[in-house]
Amino acid sequence: DVVLTQTPSILSATIGQSVSISCRSSQSLLDSDGNTYLYWFLQRPGQSPQRLIYLVSNLGSGVPNRFSGSGSGTDFTLKISGVEAEDLGVYYCMQATHAPLTFGSGTKLEIK
Amino acid sequence: QVQLKETGPGLVQPTQTLSITCTVSGFSLTSYYMQWVRQTPGKGLEWMGFIRSGGSTEYNSEFKSRLSISRDTSKNQVFLKMNSLKTEDTGVYYCAYGQFPNWFAYWGQGTLVTVSS
Repeated sequence: DVVLTQTPSILSATIGQSVSISCRSSQSLLDSDGNTYLYWFLQRPGQSPQRLIYLVSNLGSGVPNRFSGSGSGTDFTLKISGVEAEDLGVYYCMQATHAPLTFGSGTKLEIK
Repeated sequence: QVQLKETGPGLVQPTQTLSITCTVSGFSLTSYYMQWVRQTPGKGLEWMGFIRSGGSTEYNSEFKSRLSISRDTSKNQVFLKMNSLKTEDTGVYYCAYGQFPNWFAYWGQGTLVTVSS
């Protein structure tokens, strides 16, 4: 199975600060169809995961544009440009290139 | 609008079978894949499997021998059944869907399952 390693595991930020989360894959996530099936989710306390980004860098409908995704192959990054209070929670990356789909272990964002 | 809601038994005894229903509205099961994901204290988020728009299924081999996903399109319902439950299966079970390639765009609120005698 593909292992997704997220760093850091805990991130503490002040409001307005820009932060980045890394997701590193044990295998390339470039599919034979040319797509890279790497997704980012946010799980706020007590809520279901919420999809933020799909195919590495595509912002989901309704997701604020302070969120952005980048990367290729095995290295991916989620950036929040100007953290807001509502951004606290746990961020997960997920890959759907290789079966079974797998998730990272999460990065908890705390607001100072 | 799109809604997904899981309903489950809450408490299941070890070795018994888990049955969860995901009732959807706002879209057709015959047009999209429906995914099942669970979140356990021991392993975090785990993809369990999906049922395609045409009705065929794919499972995570981790669960393949004891997991079944099916649906009733007339009732807009998708079903998850897993047998031989263990205490490690305790967690929150979610159904989710999205249009390719924007999978997992929509999630249910999840249903908590506790496996205990």
